Amino acid sequence: LAKTTQPISMDSYEGQEVNITCSHNNIATNDYITWYQQFPSQGPRFIIQGYKTKVTNEVASLFIPADRKSSTLSLPRVSLSDTAVYYCLVGDTGRRALTFGSGTRLQVQP
Amino acid sequence: EAGVTQFPSHSVIEKGQTVTLRCDPISGHDNLYWYRRVMGKEIKFLLHFVKESKQDESGMPNNRFLAERTGGTYSTLKVQPAELEDSGVYFCASSQPGFPYEQYFGPGTRLTVT
Repeated sequence: LAKTTQPISMDSYEGQEVNITCSHNNIATNDYITWYQQFPSQGPRFIIQGYKTKVTNEVASLFIPADRKSSTLSLPRVSLSDTAVYYCLVGDTGRRALTFGSGTRLQVQP
Repeated sequence: EAGVTQFPSHSVIEKGQTVTLRCDPISGHDNLYWYRRVMGKEIKFLLHFVKESKQDESGMPNNRFLAERTGGTYSTLKVQPAELEDSGVYFCASSQPGFPYEQYFGPGTRLTVT
């Protein structure tokens, strides 16, 4: 399984755009990149998934360069409610088990 | 649509006792997973069911843990006998067959072994 590296924590203010970058240098051809969000006392929640280039949904955008060795989760105009831990996961969807790292703790301030 | 539910939300037991955790997946989701986070550690995979069959149980820590999913609906995770190091939060997740490979997590069961 590809190992991921992401910042331990980030701070932002309401209304700003937040970009969280994840490194996954040994990503395999069959691997997808998935981001989850977790609030205290809740289970992780799927945000977005991609394989290459750019993916956008109503919550976030995911940018993946051509070499796929990194990815960036972009949260537009964050609010206080976006304060959470964000996990970058890389894995072969043939094996469904998710491998969580330490995640990035995002703190949004007013 | 109801999400993944877990019962109980919190359980406190003594070392050596038995505890059974229950997970009800989203209706129609063939895939069911168990994960856990022990204190200060990362969330770790335990096992994966496809319907009633164990697809991957590589994360089960030892034979004190027994997971079942009779009939391919809800699942139970029994810990017998419980040890202090089993304390943590146990998450259940489910997903539909095929793409997208999004797993829906329940709120977790916090297990405290004293």
